[in-house]
Amino acid sequence: AQSVTQLDSQVPVFEEAPVELRCNYSSSVSVYLFWYVQYPNQGLQLLLKYLSGSTLVESINGFEAEFNKSQTSFHLRKPSVHISDTAEYFCAVTRGVGGTSYGKLTFGQGTILTVHP
Amino acid sequence: TAGITQAPTSQILAAGRSMTLRCTQDMRHNAMYWYRQDLGLGLRLIHYSNTAGTTGKGEVPDGYSVSRANTDDFPLTLASAVPSQTSVYFCASSEQGPNEQFFGPGTRLTVL
Repeated sequence: AQSVTQLDSQVPVFEEAPVELRCNYSSSVSVYLFWYVQYPNQGLQLLLKYLSGSTLVESINGFEAEFNKSQTSFHLRKPSVHISDTAEYFCAVTRGVGGTSYGKLTFGQGTILTVHP
Repeated sequence: TAGITQAPTSQILAAGRSMTLRCTQDMRHNAMYWYRQDLGLGLRLIHYSNTAGTTGKGEVPDGYSVSRANTDDFPLTLASAVPSQTSVYFCASSEQGPNEQFFGPGTRLTVL
């Protein structure tokens, strides 16, 4: 079975400051990793994903995450945040090809990012 | 394109009553999922369906049932609601495999 731990339940930052949201996973097999964002009173939207290839993946709005297999981490970073980035962020994992868990996501507990002016 | 629609938006339900949460997608995705979201626990998978006619149990299936009669619809039924089923319920769909899941707007359910 796989699991995901988001180490911070809340992260307050000031506008234009850098931010890192931490995510660690555990799995005995290869995995695919995702970050989703949830704005208030909305469903989740995909922010970025790692399936294979380059370990650094980027989103269209300036976020990036790096897959670190040795540390089993997939931390999310942004060098300069905006007020509009205020939301809850979820890290999720699914196992690689094969097996009954293929395609099913296991989510972390979520990190609420609050950007202050 | 509507994507995924869920109904109702919110509901207050008396304990012991039954209820069906509706979910419809127009993307012709093979796979569909039901999650519940609770503060501090993230999203937990209730049931899933890899293709029409098949369903499977997720992490927290007790007290819930699903059916998948066609590609577009994936209703979730609570046969006899209990207060611990108070939650926000999200339906999602994707192409089969490790692909992006698209989420509906959610149904907020309160069981009293």
